[in-house]
Order: sequence, then structure tokens, then C-alpha cells
Amino acid sequence: KQEVTQIPAALSVPEGENLVLNCSFTDSAIYNLQWFRQDPGKGLTSLLLIQSSQREQTSGRLNASLDKSSGRSTLYIAASQPGDSATYLCAVSTSGYSTLTFGKGTMLLVSP
Amino acid sequence: NAGVTQTPKFQVLKTGQSMTLQCAQDMNHNSMYWYRQDPGMGLRLIYYSASEGTTDKGEVPNGYNVSRLNKREFSLRLESAAPSQTSVYFCASSEPLYRVGNTIYFGEGSWLTVV
Repeated sequence: KQEVTQIPAALSVPEGENLVLNCSFTDSAIYNLQWFRQDPGKGLTSLLLIQSSQREQTSGRLNASLDKSSGRSTLYIAASQPGDSATYLCAVSTSGYSTLTFGKGTMLLVSP
Repeated sequence: NAGVTQTPKFQVLKTGQSMTLQCAQDMNHNSMYWYRQDPGMGLRLIYYSASEGTTDKGEVPNGYNVSRLNKREFSLRLESAAPSQTSVYFCASSEPLYRVGNTIYFGEGSWLTVV
């Protein structure tokens, strides 16, 4: 059974800092890995999707990397802003299954 | 663009009552899902439908039933609500996730409290 772990569970940083969120998964036979953002009281929005054959994806100030063999992914946020405050979730699509397995998320607070 | 629409957004039920959460998507996706989100537990899959006419159990299906009414609609029914079913429920849709580039789209969530 695929298990996804995210560290840290919560993170508080001052505005302008660069930060890294971590995600690990137990079964390396994945199709892809996605990072999502969830604002309080809202649904999930996909930020980045990395296929299993890719090493990284970038969107603006966000960069996600994938090391499938070690079962790890990182989400790098450059020059953080208060508007980045949200919960970030990592999810994997595992070979043989048609669904996603989610981590519990990292709650990020960026203070002005 | 509506995307994935869930109703109701908020509901309070008494233990033992039944209710149905409705979900509709306008993206012509084949796959639809119901997740629940609880504090400290993350999102857990209740049921999914890989295509119209099929449904499969996820990680936490007990106490729930689903109906894939047509390609657009996927409903979740609580037959006899229990306090343990107090949660936020999310519906989602996608094209097959094993195909390159496909991502998943979520509704805004339905907050259910069982007293």
C-alpha cells in the first residue's frame, strides 16, 4: 500500500525567505506526482505535475523535483510572500491504480 | 467555467439520518472521485468511478454508497449517518491519471456535521 509522508507538518517563515517542503512515498512505481495548494475552506488546486520520467517542473517561483528511486520530492518556493500562506499537499498516482494517494500536507504561514 | 460543482456546501444531520451529496462536472471527464478530509488524516478516498457505469471502493468506503448517474454526475449517499462521518467531503474528476499530463480537478467541498 502506497504511503505518502510530508515534512514538516507546519512551517512559519518571514516574507522573502526561500523554503523547501518535503514529500516522501513508499512505493516508487508511480506514474506521476503532484503538488496541490489548499486555501482555508476551499478545494485543492494543482500547482505542479511531474511525470515519473521527469526530474523537475517549474512554474513561476515554484520548483518541484522528483527522485523516484529514493521516493522523494521537494517543492521549492522562492522569495515567499504572505499570499503563499496555505496548506500544500503532495499526491502520487501509483502504477496499477486509477487514483491518487495524498500526504497529510504542510501548513505554511508567511508573515509580512 | 464551473468545473466540479458540489451540493450542498454545508449540512447538519442527526445520527441515523440519510442524505446524498451531489457532484457534477462539466469537463467531460471519465473518472470521478469522492474523498473525505479530516484533521490530521489528510484526504482519503471513499469511492471512485473510473468510467461511466463503474464504481470501486477506495480506502474508507464503509457507511457510504455511490451512484454514477451519467458521465457528468457522481453522488455519495450516507444511509445512516454517524458522528464519525463528520468531515469535509470533496468530489473530483479527471481523465485517467496514468496518462501523461492528466491532472485532477476538485470541487469546493461539502462540510458535513453529524450530531
